[in-house]
Amino acid sequence: GAGVSQSPSNKVTEKGKDVELRCDPISGHTALYWYRQRLGQGLEFLIYFQGNSAPDKSGLPSDRFSAERTGESVSTLTIQRTQQEDSAVYLCASSWTPGGIQPQHFGDGTRLSIL
Amino acid sequence: AQSVSQHNHHVILSEAASLELGCNYSYGGTVNLFWYVQYPGQHLQLLLKYFSGDPLVKGIKGFEAEFIKSKFSFNLRKPSVQWSDTAEYFCAVNAVKGAQKLVFGQGTRLTINP
Repeated sequence: GAGVSQSPSNKVTEKGKDVELRCDPISGHTALYWYRQRLGQGLEFLIYFQGNSAPDKSGLPSDRFSAERTGESVSTLTIQRTQQEDSAVYLCASSWTPGGIQPQHFGDGTRLSIL
Repeated sequence: AQSVSQHNHHVILSEAASLELGCNYSYGGTVNLFWYVQYPGQHLQLLLKYFSGDPLVKGIKGFEAEFIKSKFSFNLRKPSVQWSDTAEYFCAVNAVKGAQKLVFGQGTRLTINP
């Protein structure tokens, strides 16, 4: 596709349920990032994948959060036993190479609401 | 740890007014600097970026930003705003060496009245 694709665009679920969010990066982009944006706040880094290297998980807020990426393709972000404070827009971004040489291209995000 | 501060949370201007949005960052090493914009209902888009060289960088739609290293600042400017500039603006940095993540400011909501 032309841009980063995320699904679903909206997700409403009950507290305690697990959710899975999907990101399709731009074809050929080796780097993939997940961010979270809570209402009225800036974006918070969650996790970064670069090729087959071990991911940088330093931004994951708790062990209920995990993410996977196979090669340079689709990534899924999983939140287990969701809590109300997990409500946010989850954004995925990809770039040709890591770092600032090539800017990150963002998807439209998944708006997650925990009841 | 890196941090980014945007001083203005909501700015309201009339068309043709001049704009300056503040951005200061905190980091001990060399950084790359970015401004992203999010128009209503759209995804984040890159407005401009600074990696090295001329500290005055020009971006799309008449925007520019100046990197002042001594002040750890990267303020965004536009001499004459338009109604279509209504959007949320985010300043971000990442380290030239080390972690590749972007660290964002809280964003500035810009409203342009026609």
